[in-house]
Amino acid sequence: DTAVSQTPKYLVTQMGNDKSIKCEQNLGHDTMYWYKQDSKKFLKIMFSYNNKELIINETVPNRFSPKSPDKAHLNLHINSLELGDSAVYFCASSRYYEQYFGPGTRLTVT
Amino acid sequence: GENVEQHPSTLSVQEGDSAVIKCTYSDSASNYFPWYKQELGKRPQLIIDIRSNVGEKKDQRIAVTLNKTAKHFSLHITETQPEDSAVYFCAASIRYSSASKIIFGSGTRLSIRP
Repeated sequence: DTAVSQTPKYLVTQMGNDKSIKCEQNLGHDTMYWYKQDSKKFLKIMFSYNNKELIINETVPNRFSPKSPDKAHLNLHINSLELGDSAVYFCASSRYYEQYFGPGTRLTVT
Repeated sequence: GENVEQHPSTLSVQEGDSAVIKCTYSDSASNYFPWYKQELGKRPQLIIDIRSNVGEKKDQRIAVTLNKTAKHFSLHITETQPEDSAVYFCAASIRYSSASKIIFGSGTRLSIRP
């Protein structure tokens, strides 16, 4: 009965590759988010979708493209991966204020 | 731009003592202030939150206070226990039409000494 799930949990890939991370929530929430947590543990919002519509788009490189096929899913596709993309990526969902996080995907770019 | 400052970055307290973490925010439009606890290798978990129309909220051993005039808010943990050891994040949130934008502080690594 996992509330917010992400796949994969770990992702190791080489520079220049393209990869995707998937997120699903079964809480019935309308809004989903992607966050990046860097090596210093700093958490920063990247995107937010509400019912498949992009609401928040922070200053994220165009190589990052979120896609929401329905309000329970929000995927993150990353093109031309760079070393600096190495981080933990968290998906989250909310109905109003409270946000609930997924388990995270640790991306390592070599 | 929006900014949340959090202090201290590390905190070590004796088991049973209290721990206090303080934050300030810059955007006066912020109206929701959650606190998250993140254990090593785990997801951030919401432990307590406070809305802008409330000055204080308590839940068992944890309490939060908010001073909107000064743009300060704090987390207080009393009777600390070993399982309280983690990184704690404060945050300030602005509600848009259909989403909330949360700005996180830089985190406080809390260690409880036995």
